[in-house]
Amino acid sequence: QMHLQESGPGLVKASETLSLTCSVSGGSVSSSAYFWAWIRQPPGKGLEYIGSTYSTGFAYYNASLKSRVSISVDTSKNEFSLKLTSVTAADAAVYYCARDVMRTFNLWGQGTLVTVSS
Amino acid sequence: QSALTQPASVSGSPGQSITISCTGSSSDVGGYNYVAWYQLHPGTAPKLVIYDVSNRPSGVSSRFSGSKSGNTASLTISGLQAEDEGDYYCSSYTASSTGVFGGGTKVTVL
Repeated sequence: QMHLQESGPGLVKASETLSLTCSVSGGSVSSSAYFWAWIRQPPGKGLEYIGSTYSTGFAYYNASLKSRVSISVDTSKNEFSLKLTSVTAADAAVYYCARDVMRTFNLWGQGTLVTVSS
Repeated sequence: QSALTQPASVSGSPGQSITISCTGSSSDVGGYNYVAWYQLHPGTAPKLVIYDVSNRPSGVSSRFSGSKSGNTASLTISGLQAEDEGDYYCSSYTASSTGVFGGGTKVTVL
């Protein structure tokens, strides 16, 4: 059974780059059946779609974040990653990675809390 | 891409049915049958309860059902139980090939 697990720093300084990785076990990120997505939930707020990537490296991004976000896949490590540049307090959130089929997220990681310090 | 519109809260007594609406546009909900619903409980990973408008993943109770009319999708929970309390979010595929979520609905079992 496939399992997703987020990892990365829980604290990022304002103006720096947030970097998270999602490790995939029990399946392959190279699968032609899936995209791989990042989603976040700021404290007390709703879910926000960040973007999705395919095994080829092609990606779709939320237009509101597109200038600062990059999602990539590493098939050799069976993982995919998120980079968000120039973070501010508004980027503090629980970040989830998820398996994506036509932007339906049918398997989620547990989530990782990222705090932004000034 | 604007968030889909959901009511902030819905409540019902045990055994009753409740319906949560999710309104978008012809560029998302109305244009594609890729509407999904998720259940969130504090401290746990979100759980998919409906996909492709009206399909239930394996293991999800038949008390959960989904439908769509025009630009509005709906999630109905019948025979409401205490364990159904939590936050519910809809999502949709969009014309930009991205995803978009609703603002979330807090379900309270009275």
